This record gives sequence, structure tokens and C-alpha cells, in this order.
Amino acid sequence: EPEVTQTPSHQVTQMGQEVILRCVPISNHLYFYWYRQILGQKVEFLVSFYNNEISEKSEIFDDQFSVERPDGSNFTLKIRSTKLEDSAMYFCASSAQGGRTNTEAFFGQGTRLTVV
Amino acid sequence: GESVGLHLPTLSVQEGDNSIINCAYSNSASDYFIWYKQESGKGPQFIIDIRSNMDKRQGQRVTVLLNKTVKHLSLQIAATQPGDSAVYFCAPRPMDSSYKLIFGSGTRLLVRP
Repeated sequence: EPEVTQTPSHQVTQMGQEVILRCVPISNHLYFYWYRQILGQKVEFLVSFYNNEISEKSEIFDDQFSVERPDGSNFTLKIRSTKLEDSAMYFCASSAQGGRTNTEAFFGQGTRLTVV
Repeated sequence: GESVGLHLPTLSVQEGDNSIINCAYSNSASDYFIWYKQESGKGPQFIIDIRSNMDKRQGQRVTVLLNKTVKHLSLQIAATQPGDSAVYFCAPRPMDSSYKLIFGSGTRLLVRP
């Protein structure tokens, strides 16, 4: 069964450092997402991406965050200067369709980011 | 703004019994709803979805009911199994968004053997 894969599974970084979280979405999917879940809290939407541009982002997704699809298979989330409060589980997701013909998003297993 | 709440944070059921997990949402314009299951240390896993033009949808051992009048969803799991133990989220999609899902805080389902 096709799945979304994320690497690494756990990333520890020092405050102020840049970090890149990587995702390989399901191969025929066109819409890509990042969500995060701070320990013990809700899953929160960060950003959606389609046709090589951001289609929607939340207020959490400030200038410290960026996304990129550098090639035909990877989808990355970069945090330029990490803060302690960026510590969370980050989930990548993809869906075959989006917009008003939305289909379900499939989530990866997540990358646990710990900022020390 | 959109908010999603769960009626019960933890639900404990006997193996083999039916489970009902409830979800209230606040945005009456939400038009698409997904139930996800999240096991410890894993990402949300799709269970079933329903669009706002339906009031019931059935899957394998699961049924989702949508009551738009009172802005309420329920997920019914038949013959609950130990593997069903997880946190369950309903995730409405706001009408003013084409992409994002709003997750609630979740209900933890514990299945007693």
C-alpha cells in the first residue's frame, strides 16, 4: 500500500539552528501538506502546497518557515532559526485532489523535532 | 473562528461492544468531514469521510453520522477490537478553506479485553 514517508523520525537541534524535515508524498498525489502536533495538543495545520506554490498557510507558518518541492518526489519543510516552541511532531500529508473536490489526506509517521 | 470539541476525552469499552465517539463543531459552513485514528507514535490514519450533503456513511465496521442542524458528528465502531484502541479525531474542513483540516483535541478509545 502506498504511504507517505518522512525522514528523519527524530531530529534534535540547537536553538537558532536551521532544520529541514523531509517527506516523500504518495507518488501520484498532487497536494501536499505540513501539520504539527505539540505534545499533548491538537494536530495543527501549517501549510498546503500545490503546483509548486503555497495554496494556504496558517498564522503559525511565519517567515521562519518555508516549503519546497526540490524534485519530483521530495517535499521539505525548513525552519530557519529554530525556537524552543518549535519542538513538536511534524506530519507531512498528501492527497490526490484538493480544493473543493477534496479527497482524504494521507499522513506520514511524523518527524519528532526537539529543540534544545 | 473554527473550533472543534469532543464530548468525552476518554472512552473505555469492552472488547466486542460497539463504540460511539462524538464530535461537535462550530462552523456551520464546514462541508467535508474526516475521521482519523492516531495510534501512539504514529501519524493520523484515515478512517472514513462524509460530505455535508449526506447524513450517514458506512464503511467496514464503522459508520459516521452527521447532524448539521446541531453541528454534530459521531463515529460508530461495531464489535470493537483491541486494535481499535487509539485517539480518534474528527476533522472538519471549513468552507472558507479548500485545503486545511481543523483537528479537535481527540477522544481516546480504550478497549478492555
